[in-house]
Amino acid sequence: AQKVTQAQTEISVVEKEDVTLDCVYETRDTTYYLFWYKQPPSGELVFLIRRNSFDEQNEISGRYSWNFQKSTSSFNFTITASQVVDSAVYFCALMNFGNEKLTFGTGTRLTIIP
Amino acid sequence: EAGVAQSPRYKIIEKRQSVAFWCNPISGHATLYWYQQILGQGPKLLIQFQNNGVVDDSQLPKDRFSAERLKGVDSTLKIQPAKLEDSAVYLCASSLNPTNTGELFFGEGSRLTVL
Repeated sequence: AQKVTQAQTEISVVEKEDVTLDCVYETRDTTYYLFWYKQPPSGELVFLIRRNSFDEQNEISGRYSWNFQKSTSSFNFTITASQVVDSAVYFCALMNFGNEKLTFGTGTRLTIIP
Repeated sequence: EAGVAQSPRYKIIEKRQSVAFWCNPISGHATLYWYQQILGQGPKLLIQFQNNGVVDDSQLPKDRFSAERLKGVDSTLKIQPAKLEDSAVYLCASSLNPTNTGELFFGEGSRLTVL
């Protein structure tokens, strides 16, 4: 069975602070993909990143960075120098190879205070 | 490029009534998904189509939910009769080939309130 846990329900930080969103996953498969999606107030889910289980290199994209650690089954997401536009609900998700079904965590609501 | 279109955006019905949601995926996307997102939870897959065939409907409550994707383009999700616990946002998503890119494109969703 697959499971994604996002223990942080809500986080609030002051603008320009760094913030890390945690994600822990469970799967019995050896090949899988991990994702982060952003859900702004408008409701649509916006794809941010996909990592496959063979690639543990950390990734940086502008103010966003992701830390994938297979040893702890974690895929954490850090926003550096947060901005008000980063306010949204962020979902971590898991997809096993060959099965196109995304299993989502319960999401973390991030509020950036101006 | 136009995104995934869904309608209606909002719908309020009484329990035991029926409702239908429509989705138009991104042009050329063969795979279409319907997800249910209950308030405070992550989206849960209801059904997945590949062209006009069903790939996975294991979590679709088939006694009351039905979905079709005639001609492999637009899709309709129907609930009949609705229950209070069906109150949720119904998200439609499409993708070219998710196992290659991993990217699903989501619509803005249809928010259903069952009274």
